[in-house]
Parts: sequence; C-alpha cells; structure tokens
Amino acid sequence: EDQVTQSPEALRLQEGESSSLNCSYTVSGLRGLFWYRQDPGKGPEFLFTLYSAGEEKEKERLKATLTKKESFLHITAPKPEDSATYLCAVQAHTGNQFYFGTGTSLTVIP
Amino acid sequence: SAVISQKPSRDICQRGTSLTIQCQVDSQVTMMFWYRQQPGQSLTLIATANQGSEATYESGFVIDKFPISRPNLTFSTLTVSNMSPEDSSIYLCRAGDLSYGYTFGSGTRLTVV
Repeated sequence: EDQVTQSPEALRLQEGESSSLNCSYTVSGLRGLFWYRQDPGKGPEFLFTLYSAGEEKEKERLKATLTKKESFLHITAPKPEDSATYLCAVQAHTGNQFYFGTGTSLTVIP
Repeated sequence: SAVISQKPSRDICQRGTSLTIQCQVDSQVTMMFWYRQQPGQSLTLIATANQGSEATYESGFVIDKFPISRPNLTFSTLTVSNMSPEDSSIYLCRAGDLSYGYTFGSGTRLTVV
C-alpha cells in the first residue's frame, strides 16, 4: 500500500538552530516526491520536486534530499518566518494520485 | 509552475445552501484536483477533474454533493451542495504538471452555520 509518513509531528527550534524534517514513503514506483510549505489558513506553497534517489534541491535556507525510502528537508539557520507546516507528498508511476503525509509543524523561536 | 487564482477566499453560509468555488489557472493543464482539509489535518482528495469528461470521485465523495465542472483547460469549479456544519473546512484546488511542479490555489475557508 502506498503511503507517506512524516516525522516529527511538531518541532520547535531556536532561531539559528539547524535541523531536518523526515518524510518516509512506500510507493510502487516513484514518479516524484514533493515538498510544500503551508501557513495557517492558506493553501500549500510548492517548494521542491525530487525525482530520483540522490537528487538534491536548495532554496534559501531549505535543502531537500531523496533516497529510495525517504526524503529529508534540511533547514539551515532557521528564522521565525520559516515557521509553518511542511507537507510531503509522493506520486506513483501508476496514476496521478498524490499521497500526502500529515505534515510537520515547525515553530522557530526568536 | 502554474499560478492558480481561487475564489472566494472565505465564506460563511447557511445550512442547506450551496457554494461554488472557482479555480482559474494561468496555463492549460490536463487535470485539476479538488481537496478538502479539516483543521489540523492533512489533505483529502475529493475528485479529479478532466476537461471534457465527468470528474472522478474518491471514496466517500459523491457527485450530487460535490458537483464539479471543467469547461476548459484553465478553469474548474467545485460546488458544495446542501451544506451542513460538517462541511466546514478549507477547500483547495491543485493543478500543474510533473516537470514544472504542482501548485495549489490559496484555499477557500468555508464555515457553515
């Protein structure tokens, strides 16, 4: 069964304290893995698409990596404005369905 | 990646009425997807909307309750019919493609009273 698990559920960091969010997945043939940022009451904001193991992508303080079983979203020297829920989703080769994780709620304390 | 304009951003509706949510995409996309997100929960897919054919609904969602239109490759609507307080949620559309990324609309926060 295709599924996505994100950990931790919630993470509190001091400003400048780097950390990583995890997205573990099982899917019958990965077509793409997607990271989104979601602020309260708003739609998810697209961050990255990763297609194959070993791939990495960066955007400002965020870096996403991918292995055959999981993806990490590394946050370097986070700022309070990075506080949000980060969602991971995977798309299998067999269809257009997205499988979403339940998200990691990140709070960065000044 | 595609830019999606979703309207309305929020609404408060009376029980038993209907609300139509619109999503306009700035480029042509083959498929559009409609989601519901309960507070503090992840996204639940309602249906997939293809242009020129009937939408495909996920288990637990029916066309009579959530009719969808897809008149062209840049536009879709979702109607929430005969609303009850249990329909209070955030409704989202998604579109795009694998190469450029899938984006979401800004969401419609619906409150049914």
